[in-house]
Amino acid sequence: AQKVTQAQTEISVVEKEDVTLDCVYETRDTTYYLFWYKQPPSGELVFLIRRNSFDEQNEISGRYSWNFQKSTSSFNFTITASQVVDSAVYFCALSEQNSGYALNFGKGTSLLVTP
Amino acid sequence: NAGVTQTPKFQVLKTGQSMTLQCAQDMNHEYMSWYRQDPGMGLRLIHYSVGAGITDQGEVPNGYNVSRSTTEDFPLRLLSAAPSQTSVYFCASSPRRAGGNTIYFGEGSWLTVV
Repeated sequence: AQKVTQAQTEISVVEKEDVTLDCVYETRDTTYYLFWYKQPPSGELVFLIRRNSFDEQNEISGRYSWNFQKSTSSFNFTITASQVVDSAVYFCALSEQNSGYALNFGKGTSLLVTP
Repeated sequence: NAGVTQTPKFQVLKTGQSMTLQCAQDMNHEYMSWYRQDPGMGLRLIHYSVGAGITDQGEVPNGYNVSRSTTEDFPLRLLSAAPSQTSVYFCASSPRRAGGNTIYFGEGSWLTVV
């Protein structure tokens, strides 16, 4: 069985604050993939990042960074200097190797960034 | 290159009616899947397919049928719609070789069952 937990249901920050979205996962597979998606108010799903289970390197992309720690089964997402345009629902998801990349999503974290 | 196309975008059904949500991709992707999104529940996997002729159940398959007769198409059938199936449905596809680096989602289909 696999499971993704996003404990933070809603987060509200003021623009320029840093914010971290937590993601904890469970899987028995040794090979798996972790994803983050953004869903803005318009409703489409925007791919942000994929991380393989065998690659624990942290990644930075502009104001976004991800911290993958297998020891704690966590894949946290940090937005630095948040902007109003970052307001969206963010989903963490897990896929196992032999599942056709079918995704198991967390329930999402709604981020509101106010001016 | 149209990506993943879902039709219809909006649909209202009466309880007990049947309908098919269409999903087509023109990228020759082996993998396709269907999800439903309900408020506070995130996206939940309904069915998925790893290739033509091969389908499997996800987390919430009851009330839905799928088939994959071609690589391009992966329709989702509701045989007897129920109000509990009111949701937003997303179809996704991905190439096997890409290692899941890019999973393409359709724009969603909003279904209301009254």
